[in-house]
Amino acid sequence: AQKVTQAQTEISVVEKEDVTLDCVYETRDTTYYLFWYKQPPSGELVFLIRRNSFDEQNEISGRYSWNFQKSTSSFNFTITASQVVDSAVYFCALSARNSNYQLIWGAGTKLIIKP
Amino acid sequence: DSGVTQTPKHLITATGQRVTLRCSPRSGDLSVYWYQQSLDQGLQFLIQYYNGEERAKGNILERFSAQQFPDLHSELNLSSLELGDSALYFCASSVTPGTSGAPFGPGELFFGEGSRLTVL
Repeated sequence: AQKVTQAQTEISVVEKEDVTLDCVYETRDTTYYLFWYKQPPSGELVFLIRRNSFDEQNEISGRYSWNFQKSTSSFNFTITASQVVDSAVYFCALSARNSNYQLIWGAGTKLIIKP
Repeated sequence: DSGVTQTPKHLITATGQRVTLRCSPRSGDLSVYWYQQSLDQGLQFLIQYYNGEERAKGNILERFSAQQFPDLHSELNLSSLELGDSALYFCASSVTPGTSGAPFGPGELFFGEGSRLTVL
């Protein structure tokens, strides 16, 4: 069965701190994709990144970085020098062949950045 | 702005009623997905259409139905509404059908702002 676990329900940090959001996934597929989406208070879900299972290179995009480790089935998301605008709910999701590539979502982590 | 348009943004109705939610996908996107987001259930996939045909079904109740029209817009019909149907309903679109067949994996999904349904 496919599963995504975001153990952190809510994280609160002060602006400019670094913060890491954890994502652990389960799948028996060798071909799969991992995603992060952001849901700001306005409600719209915004795509952040997609990573396929054959590419374990970490990725950096500005203040955002992602650490994909197949050995621990984790795809963690780090925001450096956090800003108030980063406050949102962040979802990790998995898409795998055995589930016909439908997205399996984590429960989300609510990130609060205090000024 | 994702390019996906959902109407209405807010809807309040009574139990037993029927509502229709509408979604216009991004220009050029052939796939439309419907999701339900509630506090206790999180994000639940309901159904997917690709170029007018049903592609995949998730946790969609029998009281709910959807279709995608030739112009690619989609409608989600919710009938015999119950209090527990109160939720945020998202539509998303993507270019690809996003189904099996490596390397034909899923593209990113572009979400609308959602339709917030309140059933009283």
